[in-house]
Amino acid sequence: DAKTTQPNSMESNEEEPVHLPCNHSTISGTDYIHWYRQLPSQGPEYVIHGLTSNVNNRMASLAIAEDRKSSTLILHRATLRDAAVYYCIASGGSYIPTFGRGTSLIVHP
Amino acid sequence: DTGVSQDPRHKITKRGQNVTFRCDPISEHNRLYWYRQTLGQGPEFLTYFQNEAQLEKSRLLSDRFSAERPKGSFSTLEIQRTEQGDSAMYLCASSLRANTEAFFGQGTRLTVV
Repeated sequence: DAKTTQPNSMESNEEEPVHLPCNHSTISGTDYIHWYRQLPSQGPEYVIHGLTSNVNNRMASLAIAEDRKSSTLILHRATLRDAAVYYCIASGGSYIPTFGRGTSLIVHP
Repeated sequence: DTGVSQDPRHKITKRGQNVTFRCDPISEHNRLYWYRQTLGQGPEFLTYFQNEAQLEKSRLLSDRFSAERPKGSFSTLEIQRTEQGDSAMYLCASSLRANTEAFFGQGTRLTVV
């Protein structure tokens, strides 16, 4: 698995877009990029994943740099319920989700 | 509810006792993972199963830890001779195959006193 680097914390205001960055400079060509989030007192929850192209789903968008050494999770309109720890994982092969410390997102009303 | 379920949700045990946790994955999921999470840290991988075969174990999984997945269905994680350092949230997850989303249970919170 490629090592990922994320900021420890970020803050946003409600209703504003949030861009959560992740660096994975040692990613290999077959590693997928996955994002999970964990709300307080709950297990992690899958958000989105991609390989090369940008991806959109009902929860978020994933923008992957052309060289794949970084990616950005985009929450289009943050709500208070989006306050969570967001984990970026770059993994291939047998794919075992391997978590770092993630980014703690604080959303202000 | 067709999600991943874990039992019990909370367990308090005395140091030196054995404990066993159960995980019921989503029924068609072949892969099952166990993690441990302490306060302020991300989940740490312990072990995973592909159907009934235990394919990988972390170095975190000491000899006191054992996991099984008989018949590729539910899984159990047993900790023998518990220590205070075993106090943590134990999470189970399942997925259909590699590189698909993993679904996590709510976890079992273990407190060793």
